[in-house]
Amino acid sequence: QKEVEQDPGPLSVPEGAIVSLNCTYSNSAFQYFMWYRQYSRKGPELLMYTYSSGNKEDGRFTAQVDKSSKYISLFIRDSQPSDSATYLCAMSRSGGSNYKLTFGKGTLLTVNP
Amino acid sequence: KAGVTQTPRYLIKTRGQQVTLSCSPISGHRSVSWYQQTPGQGLQFLFEYFSETQRNKGNFPGRFSGRQFSNSRSEMNVSTLELGDSALYLCASSETGGEVYGYTFGSGTRLTVV
Repeated sequence: QKEVEQDPGPLSVPEGAIVSLNCTYSNSAFQYFMWYRQYSRKGPELLMYTYSSGNKEDGRFTAQVDKSSKYISLFIRDSQPSDSATYLCAMSRSGGSNYKLTFGKGTLLTVNP
Repeated sequence: KAGVTQTPRYLIKTRGQQVTLSCSPISGHRSVSWYQQTPGQGLQFLFEYFSETQRNKGNFPGRFSGRQFSNSRSEMNVSTLELGDSALYLCASSETGGEVYGYTFGSGTRLTVV
């Protein structure tokens, strides 16, 4: 079993839809949870990060972490064609001693005008 | 400020050859990490360097190696290339490596092994 599992998609939605992206993980030592967005032929760019459990909101994006269920989500409201990209969840055991991110495989999202 | 620069952007090599990829981090960033991205496995951690020292290594064969120079620039080398090494190789830099939310990725080097 991989440490991080991500719904593979692909996901195709109409403009304006609410998008839900999810990951589950098996390692309870993960403390930092991140969502990256990767456009075609580009490297991943950090969208949001959270520490431990809870919600975090930034504009149209909301990240949720449920450590009891080992489940994280990213919600995109009022989705735009410019949101079309691959979304990757990433996790890390701690901030100071591990120096590595463990990624899900990514979900390809297409937002249709 | 300039981002993370990876060179070359694209590379085609033959099985059995070796290849060296280069990564120049953001100015002031002393930690450089390398990741391999493939459709089947996603992004997988290769190794991380800080102040010319490898601090962590992923589960890859010894054919994959890296190094970091005193100016924080890093190179990774793959010897005896196999078809399965075809991938996008990404490097990421951060100030110390400990701030896991502060990694900035380059655009990658697309390696094709034929």
